Amino acid sequence: DGGITQSPKYLFRKEGQNVTLSCEQNLNHDAMYWYRQDPGQGLRLIYYSQIVNDFQKGDIAEGYSVSREKKESFPLTVTSAQKNPTAFYLCASSNGLGQPQHFGDGTRLSIL
Amino acid sequence: SQQGEEDPQALSIQEGENATMNCSYKTSINNLQWYRQNSGRGLVHLILIRSNEREKHSGRLRVTLDTSKKSSSLLITASRAADTASYFCAASGGAGSYQLTFGKGTKLSVIP
Repeated sequence: DGGITQSPKYLFRKEGQNVTLSCEQNLNHDAMYWYRQDPGQGLRLIYYSQIVNDFQKGDIAEGYSVSREKKESFPLTVTSAQKNPTAFYLCASSNGLGQPQHFGDGTRLSIL
Repeated sequence: SQQGEEDPQALSIQEGENATMNCSYKTSINNLQWYRQNSGRGLVHLILIRSNEREKHSGRLRVTLDTSKKSSSLLITASRAADTASYFCAASGGAGSYQLTFGKGTKLSVIP
């Protein structure tokens, strides 16, 4: 079945540590996205990528980094510069910008 | 940003009743999309309505769009306990900006 796989489901970060969240899709979609969701809030866009080897900052990119070396993969690194990283992180993909997005089941990141 | 804002924030109804959720946005759009999110899961795309459409149906879902009022509504008819979830609208902008901007959602509880 086609879909998006995010791993791990739960992740804990120590102070000063960088952590990487994985996102893989087999939908053959060009565009991929990372969102952050805080309790009772909507989704805020961190980064997006329209094509391999290209990505753009979203509304809250500070303290995060991404890469897009393969069409199927769009990992997100939460760096130590992100001072409030505790949140639910969602990865999505679509056929193009503005098109319906398919989401993974998220990674919940907490601080130790 | 052209954020969608849902109203009400929470809605509780009996099974079999209809549920109506509203969404407002700030600037011109290419399309408006509705998504559902079950607790602790990713979002699932429900329906997309283009800026030149006024109404769209999909099964028990009916979406309307009023671009003059910059608002949309989602109607779920004959609700079921399985409809219990949070519902988000997402506006896809014009002027070359096709990112989706999500509202904070309406939390729907359907009581059996």
